[in-house]
Amino acid sequence: AQSVTQLDSHVSVSEGTPVLLRCNYSSSYSPSLFWYVQHPNKGLQLLLKYTSAATLVKGINGFEAEFKKSETSFHLTKPSAHMSDAAEYFCVVSPHGSGGYNKLIFGAGTRLAVHP
Amino acid sequence: EAGVTQSPTHLIKTRGQQATLRCSPISGHTSVYWYQQALGLGLQFLLWYDEGEERNRGNFPPRFSGRQFPNYSSELNVNALELEDSALYLCASSLEPSRGLFFGEGSRLTVL
Repeated sequence: AQSVTQLDSHVSVSEGTPVLLRCNYSSSYSPSLFWYVQHPNKGLQLLLKYTSAATLVKGINGFEAEFKKSETSFHLTKPSAHMSDAAEYFCVVSPHGSGGYNKLIFGAGTRLAVHP
Repeated sequence: EAGVTQSPTHLIKTRGQQATLRCSPISGHTSVYWYQQALGLGLQFLLWYDEGEERNRGNFPPRFSGRQFPNYSSELNVNALELEDSALYLCASSLEPSRGLFFGEGSRLTVL
């Protein structure tokens, strides 16, 4: 069975400091992995995706994530937080090899707060 | 290029009524997904349409239904509304899920 676990429901950082949002996944097949961001009362925006190419994936707004198969992790990082990064972040897994059955599995979300 | 568009932005209904939400996918995308984001419950998969057919549905009662039109736009219908149906309903489209889903801004349904 496939699942995704976001290890922190809330993360608080100061502006200009690094951001780390943690995500572990479980998948029987080689998955695709995504990070989405949702600002208040908005839809979800795709930040980045991993689809079995380079393990270090660069996304928009300075975010990046590293796929580590041995640790089944796909943590999201950013070197320096900006106030506009305050939002909810979702780690998502799309299992492969499932005979055409396509359903993304969303993590519970991590709310990032950025303080001046 | 226009993104996924949803209407209405906000909808207020009373218990027992019916709600209809609409979604237009990105041009060229044939798959449409519906998700419910209720307070405290995260994102729950509702329905997946592809090429006009319902391909899969989540763990929701039959009063949640929908359809996809020949132009790939989609409609979500919720009958016999209950208070707990109050949520943000998100529509997404894709060519292939492994490339990621592209979401609209959502329709916020409030049931009084």
